[in-house]
Amino acid sequence: EAQVTQNPRYLITVTGKKLTVTCSQNMNHEYMSWYRQDPGLGLRQIYYSMNVEVTDKGDVPEGYKVSRKEKRNFPLILESPSPNQTSLYFCASSTRTSGGGNEQFFGPGTRLTVL
Amino acid sequence: EDQVTQSPEALRLQEGESSSLNCSYTVSGLRGLFWYRQDPGKGPEFLFTLYSAGEEKEKERLKATLTKKESFLHITAPKPEDSATYLCAVMQGYSTLTFGKGTMLLVSP
Repeated sequence: EAQVTQNPRYLITVTGKKLTVTCSQNMNHEYMSWYRQDPGLGLRQIYYSMNVEVTDKGDVPEGYKVSRKEKRNFPLILESPSPNQTSLYFCASSTRTSGGGNEQFFGPGTRLTVL
Repeated sequence: EDQVTQSPEALRLQEGESSSLNCSYTVSGLRGLFWYRQDPGKGPEFLFTLYSAGEEKEKERLKATLTKKESFLHITAPKPEDSATYLCAVMQGYSTLTFGKGTMLLVSP
């Protein structure tokens, strides 16, 4: 089954304790992205990756890091989480063409609470 | 300034009562307009992609249309299972999706 998986699905942590949210896709997609979703603000892009070893900032990258060492994996790293990073996080992936945008497939989400 | 604006923010319909959701956008160089459905606590589920003005796509009770400034998602004879938040997003360039804040639809039996 084609899918995007995220782990963990739920996480409660404390300020300053480094954490990693994993994302994996089995569709051989070149493009992967991380979003956060907050009430009243909608989905906002954090980072994206066009391919292995190629990453770039989205609209709200502050406080986050990413890496893309393998095509299927795109982990999101919070080195020193703060309460304002409490949010619902989504990973997404898509194929990449030169002609236009392709639909992105989303994971099930990770609900993060930073105390 | 918002590039993607969805209206209304919330919509309550009776089962069978048809209506439309609006998505207006101000981006230039549109490379695609996307509609997603999102159920509470779940990831967005892809519905449609529209690339050029005049294009239309249909899926069951849903029909999406696109003009140069806006897109409509028409819902014909909705059922309670159509209740969800509907998200509109536009793509500029080849990689960045900008989402609207969504329309929360509730269909009552």
